[in-house]
Amino acid sequence: EAGVAQSPRYKIIEKRQSVAFWCNPISGHATLYWYQQILGQGPKLLIQFQNNGVVDDSQLPKDRFSAERLKGVDSTLKIQPAKLEDSAVYLCASSLGGERFHEQYFGPGTRLTVT
Amino acid sequence: AQSVTQPDIHITVSEGASLELRCNYSYGATPYLFWYVQSPGQGLQLLLKYFSGDTLVQGIKGFEAEFKRSQSSFNLRKPSVHWSDAAEYFCAVGALYGGSQGNLIFGKGTKLSVKP
Repeated sequence: EAGVAQSPRYKIIEKRQSVAFWCNPISGHATLYWYQQILGQGPKLLIQFQNNGVVDDSQLPKDRFSAERLKGVDSTLKIQPAKLEDSAVYLCASSLGGERFHEQYFGPGTRLTVT
Repeated sequence: AQSVTQPDIHITVSEGASLELRCNYSYGATPYLFWYVQSPGQGLQLLLKYFSGDTLVQGIKGFEAEFKRSQSSFNLRKPSVHWSDAAEYFCAVGALYGGSQGNLIFGKGTKLSVKP
């Protein structure tokens, strides 16, 4: 079974530029999560999708971050414009959802450096 | 509000020695508790989980954890550490809400180094 795929693995941009990350979850997983992991901290949930609907985006900085999961499969997370404090690893995870929400399978992440 | 505290940022143990990683949580009801491991450049992998029942839970790779309600703790243990266990370990608390959705709150992690 293929795991969660993410691209790119690394990205370096200047502040005020835009960037987009892509995630392909495990086939059949209805729930998809985007986490931000700042160096020295645990992952923090940014947004959670159930199929193509948003379940929780309370911690997403909506003035600069956006995410979509149009067909209920792949997802894209965008930052526009980027700030220095956005430097982090962005992790995508998926799960079957429901009572198995905790069985989250994580991708390798995208390491973003904003200079 | 839910929160997780991992008091140890970095721990070094000798190969073959025992290991205990500490985790304390704050949650209003009986929580779902988890330990994840993250190897360098990798995503997180679920080690073990506690939902209810037996307070001592077994996980993969020889790890176990004990839920102690009175201490609000869920410490991770392994009797004999292998060099391949060097990684970062995250404790998380989760909640299932609305009967159909849930999310996780992670601690800041404990980095484990293993001396030969």
